[in-house]
Amino acid sequence: GENVEQHPSTLSVQEGDSAVIKCTYSDSASNYFPWYKQELGKGPQLIIDIRSNVGEKKDQRIAVTLNKTAKHFSLHITETQPEDSAVYFCAARWQTAGNKLTFGGGTRVLVKP
Amino acid sequence: GAVVSQHPSRVICKSGTSVKIECRSLDFQATTMFWYRQFPKKSLMLMATSNEGSKATYEQGVEKDKFLINHASLTLSTLTVTSAHPEDSSFYICSARLGGGATEAFFGQGTRLTVV
Repeated sequence: GENVEQHPSTLSVQEGDSAVIKCTYSDSASNYFPWYKQELGKGPQLIIDIRSNVGEKKDQRIAVTLNKTAKHFSLHITETQPEDSAVYFCAARWQTAGNKLTFGGGTRVLVKP
Repeated sequence: GAVVSQHPSRVICKSGTSVKIECRSLDFQATTMFWYRQFPKKSLMLMATSNEGSKATYEQGVEKDKFLINHASLTLSTLTVTSAHPEDSSFYICSARLGGGATEAFFGQGTRLTVV
């Protein structure tokens, strides 16, 4: 089945710096890659996503890049703010198994003021 | 984005009792909903896929008789934890996907279940 690896597991950055989280996936048939932000005690919130026919997508301070050949995708957060502190999950849609999402292990991001 | 409402947000129950968790899509119809379980500081583990009007599809290792799923309408899916035990204590989260081939999945706010 699909396997999604996410790194790093924890990330501490100074306010204003950039944060980068990387994920790799195993199923070359996967074609949809969302990123979720989860705050303590809450459900995940979709923050950005990318489809396999696009290499990069940006939304204000957040960007995602996709390398289909290498089967990896990354989340970039620029000008980090304390409210960006949360756990971030990448996911890949596993087309060969009913379009289910397979999640990475998560990255705990701490933005220090 | 679309709104998914999950209720209750927290529940404490005694061992041996059953607990029902509701997941509603508020402003869209969801032919497919998903139920996840999340352990502390861990990722989301898919338990089952709920399809409106048909039986749920459970992931390997998930007891279908223990975790009853009903998707009776296009806006409501329920997860019932039957004969709950302390090891069932966890954070349960539902998500719903827009119909018509849409790819985005939106999550509810989660339910913290504590079995005492």
